[in-house]
Amino acid sequence: GNSVTQMEGPVTLSEEAFLTINCTYTATGYPSLFWYVQYPGEGLQLLLKATKADDKGSNKGFEATYRKETTSFHLEKGSVQVSDSAVYFCALVKGRGSTLGRLYFGRGTQLTVWP
Amino acid sequence: GAGVSQSPRYKVAKRGQDVALRCDPISGHVSLFWYQQALGQGPEFLTYFQNEAQLDKSGLPSDRFFAERPEGSVSTLKIQRTQQEDSAVYLCASSPGSYTHSNQPQHFGDGTRLSIL
Repeated sequence: GNSVTQMEGPVTLSEEAFLTINCTYTATGYPSLFWYVQYPGEGLQLLLKATKADDKGSNKGFEATYRKETTSFHLEKGSVQVSDSAVYFCALVKGRGSTLGRLYFGRGTQLTVWP
Repeated sequence: GAGVSQSPRYKVAKRGQDVALRCDPISGHVSLFWYQQALGQGPEFLTYFQNEAQLDKSGLPSDRFFAERPEGSVSTLKIQRTQQEDSAVYLCASSPGSYTHSNQPQHFGDGTRLSIL
């Protein structure tokens, strides 16, 4: 089946610290991978995506590389800000190269950044 | 509007009542998805529409859940005889592309928080 496992939170960091949120997946075929972010009181927003192996998605200083050999898509940021405090969801869509379809989400990781 | 709009934002109902949740997708978007997000969990897929056609309803948890999109734009998710386990945030997402071939990701609304007493 298709599933996503991400590290449990909450994660608490000081401003300018390095962030890693681990995500691994199980999927049939060749999925596309995503990170979504949910700020307090808001809906899910797409943060970044990668549609094939070795692709690197990046946005707002966040990066994640699609690693087929380890079935992973870990989220990283070199220097977090208070405004990055949110819940982060790793997700996949079945189907090579497609970014549309039923999304399979991880449980989410709460990130809190202190000044 | 500029984004996906869902209403009401909050809904409280007594166990056994019927509820209806509305989703206004971005104008012109072909695809529409409904997801259910329980507290502390990631969203779980419920159903998918391509225009007015409901192509996938495999995620609906029981026959008490029913969704429609009669004119291919606004969609309504209806839950009959609500139970406490139906308490969750219900998310709607839309996309301009069709299910099987698109490079456009889903745009999510802010959700409806449903509480069953």
